[in-house]
Amino acid sequence: KQEVTQIPAALSVPEGENLVLNCSFTDSAIYNLQWFRQDPGKGLTSLLLIQSSQREQTSGRLNASLDKSSGRSTLYIAASQPGDSATYLCAVLNTGNQFYFGTGTSLTVIP
Amino acid sequence: ETGVTQSPTHLIKTRGQQVTLRCSSQSGHNTVSWYQQALGQGPQFIFQYYREEENGRGNFPPRFSGLQFPNYSSELNVNALELDDSALYLCGYQVPNYGYTFGSGTRLTVV
Repeated sequence: KQEVTQIPAALSVPEGENLVLNCSFTDSAIYNLQWFRQDPGKGLTSLLLIQSSQREQTSGRLNASLDKSSGRSTLYIAASQPGDSATYLCAVLNTGNQFYFGTGTSLTVIP
Repeated sequence: ETGVTQSPTHLIKTRGQQVTLRCSSQSGHNTVSWYQQALGQGPQFIFQYYREEENGRGNFPPRFSGLQFPNYSSELNVNALELDDSALYLCGYQVPNYGYTFGSGTRLTVV
């Protein structure tokens, strides 16, 4: 069974700092990996999708990388802003049809 | 705005009752998945529907059931509600080359 772990569980940084969120998974036979943002009590907002054949994806200040062989992904956020404060979830889609989610990293950006 | 609508946004039910949650996509995508997210946890896969047929199910008891309609909207039904069913219920549609897009969720409280 796929297990997804996110480290750290919580992170607090001053505004303007660059930061990295980590995600690891146990089964490398994945179809794709998707990063989501979740505000308190809200649904999931998709940030980046990385297909299994890709190494990284970029969108604005966000960059996500994927290393299938080591079972790792990172989400890099440049020049953090208070509006980036949220929980960030990593989700791995196996070659079946089921997402396996981590428990998330709760990010607080301090003005 | 993700184009995925869930209703209702919140509801409170009594233990033993039955509940129906609804989900639809503006864009008519044919693959929909339902997830349960307990407080402080990552979402857990309940089941997936593709073109009105269930094609994957997570580790949830049979009192969790679903439907997908010809217009690809979907329902999640939960019978004999238990206190532990209190959670945020998320539905998401698979969008080609984009991954999954989720709705804002339904917050269910069982008392």
